[in-house]
Amino acid sequence: EPEVTQTPSHQVTQMGQEVILRCVPISNHLYFYWYRQILGQKVEFLVSFYNNEISEKSEIFDDQFSVERPDGSNFTLKIRSTKLEDSAMYFCASSVTRLRNEQYFGPGTRLTVT
Amino acid sequence: KNEVEQSPQNLTAQEGEFITINCSYSVGISALHWLQQHPGGGIVSLFMLSSGKKKHGRLIATINIQEKHSSLHITASHPRDSAVYICAVRAYGGSQGNLIFGKGTKLSVKP
Repeated sequence: EPEVTQTPSHQVTQMGQEVILRCVPISNHLYFYWYRQILGQKVEFLVSFYNNEISEKSEIFDDQFSVERPDGSNFTLKIRSTKLEDSAMYFCASSVTRLRNEQYFGPGTRLTVT
Repeated sequence: KNEVEQSPQNLTAQEGEFITINCSYSVGISALHWLQQHPGGGIVSLFMLSSGKKKHGRLIATINIQEKHSSLHITASHPRDSAVYICAVRAYGGSQGNLIFGKGTKLSVKP
């Protein structure tokens, strides 16, 4: 069964460093999403992406964050200068359509900022 | 302000018991999702529903749009059902990505 994959599974970085989290959505899906979950808290929406542009973003998704689909298969989330509070589990998801289909989630990348 | 409330927060059951997890929401929605988060952190979509009832194996999800309430039922529970169950809603008029999540219900099924 097709699945969303994410790499790495765990990333440790120092404060101020740039990180890129990678996702490979399911191949026929058109809509892509990033979520994050700070330890012990609920999942929060970051951004949705369609047709090579951001379709919606939350207040969390500030100028430190960017997303890209560089090569037609990967979908990346970049954090330019990480802060301690960026430590969280980051989930990528994809769906076929915007409204009628379920989102399929990747296994997540645990980001630890020290 | 919590737009999505789940109850209970924690639930311990004996194997074989019938489980009910509740979700109430305060916004108008176009769809509601039930998700399962494994102890390792991964999230699996169980159901997406906008009306009525859906069944998949031992899992049943119902929604009452008028009452802004949904329930997830697990029949004949098993220790492998132990996980966090998360309710998430898509607000009416919102994009599909802008899911609003509940805090989750941690279920532990004892053998």
